[in-house]
Amino acid sequence: GDSVTQTEGLVTLTEGLPVMLNCTYQTAYSTFLFWYVQHLNEAPKLLLKSSTDNKRTEHQGFHATLHKSSSSFHLQKSSAQLSDSALYYCALFMNNNAGAKLTFGGGTRLTVRP
Amino acid sequence: DTTVKQNPRYKLARVGKPVNLICSQTMNHDTMYWYQKKPNQAPKLLLFYYDKILNREADTFEKFQSSRPNNSFCSLYIGSAGLEYSAMYLCASSANTGQLYFGEGSKLTVL
Repeated sequence: GDSVTQTEGLVTLTEGLPVMLNCTYQTAYSTFLFWYVQHLNEAPKLLLKSSTDNKRTEHQGFHATLHKSSSSFHLQKSSAQLSDSALYYCALFMNNNAGAKLTFGGGTRLTVRP
Repeated sequence: DTTVKQNPRYKLARVGKPVNLICSQTMNHDTMYWYQKKPNQAPKLLLFYYDKILNREADTFEKFQSSRPNNSFCSLYIGSAGLEYSAMYLCASSANTGQLYFGEGSKLTVL
């Protein structure tokens, strides 16, 4: 079945350092990958999405490139900010005759320290 | 308005008692979802409505029920709560694009 793997459960960084959160996936169907971010006491919100192989997608300073050859969609940012501290979910979207489903990875909690 | 509203935000229930959680959206989205979120775990899809069609995940099929009386509302019903049901329940809606709009969640504590 479809699955999403985020290898790091917790990432702690110093402000200004680069961010990389890993995401790999397994699916037999069309590939739409998403990153959702959840700040404390807030609902998860869409951060990035992509279905195009080898094309970089960017939003709010974050970027990710879908690589179908390696089944990866890693989230990156060149310089972490304190406000980036949040829970990040990689998710795989599938749409078939039964409807559309989003399968989440385990999540990575990013903590950025001064 | 891209808000998904959930009620109640906090629910305390006794073991064996029923629980009903409500979700609403005004974006005319055709799909509404219910996820269960426990600490340090990924959100787990319980069920979703695509228009009037209910899809329940195989491993939670018998534990949760739902109704969608109209496009805007969707409920999650637990007939007899057990301790293992304690979790955050997230409702979301989507226009079938993969972009889900989440509510702030309903935190259920079963004692």
